[in-house]
Amino acid sequence: AQSVTQLGSHVSVSEGALVLLRCNYSSSVPPYLFWYVQYPNQGLQLLLKYTSAATLVKGINGFEAEFKKSETSFHLTKPSAHMSDAAEYFCAVSDGGYNKLIFGAGTRLAVHP
Amino acid sequence: SAVISQKPSRDICQRGTSLTIQCQVDSQVTMMFWYRQQPGQSLTLIATANQGSEATYESGFVIDKFPISRPNLTFSTLTVSNMSPEDSSIYLCSVEVGAAEAFFGQGTRLTVV
Repeated sequence: AQSVTQLGSHVSVSEGALVLLRCNYSSSVPPYLFWYVQYPNQGLQLLLKYTSAATLVKGINGFEAEFKKSETSFHLTKPSAHMSDAAEYFCAVSDGGYNKLIFGAGTRLAVHP
Repeated sequence: SAVISQKPSRDICQRGTSLTIQCQVDSQVTMMFWYRQQPGQSLTLIATANQGSEATYESGFVIDKFPISRPNLTFSTLTVSNMSPEDSSIYLCSVEVGAAEAFFGQGTRLTVV
């Protein structure tokens, strides 16, 4: 069975600092991996996805993630945090067959001036 | 991409009543998905709805509690039946468009009192 673990339910960074949100997955088949962002009182927006092409995936708003099979990880990074990045971030996995997503518990990112 | 409209955006309901949530997509899609996001938690898939067939429910969710309709390729409804305070959650509709690309509605924030 597939699963996703997000390390750290809350992450706090200073504006301009590196953002690193951790995600590890478990899958018996080559996975598709996703990062979604949820702003307060809104739905989910896709940041980026990995679908077995390039291992370094660039997404919107300056975010990127690297698929590391040996580490079963798909960590999300951004070189310089903005105040507007404060939100909840979800890592998700699917088996690629169809888009039934298994979500991690989420990481709430706070950005301080 | 896909634009998904969910109605209502929020509601406060009395226990024992039922609420039907509508999901409208601006393009024809094969699969539609309904998720639940309980307060402070991640998303859990309730069921997958294909047009012209019965919805497929995930473990822990049953048709009597969450009946789903899928009358055509652009529309679906989810009913939360005989509600209790434990049903207070955000309910999100999602569709698959293209290869492993899921789009989400804004969600319906349900409070049961």
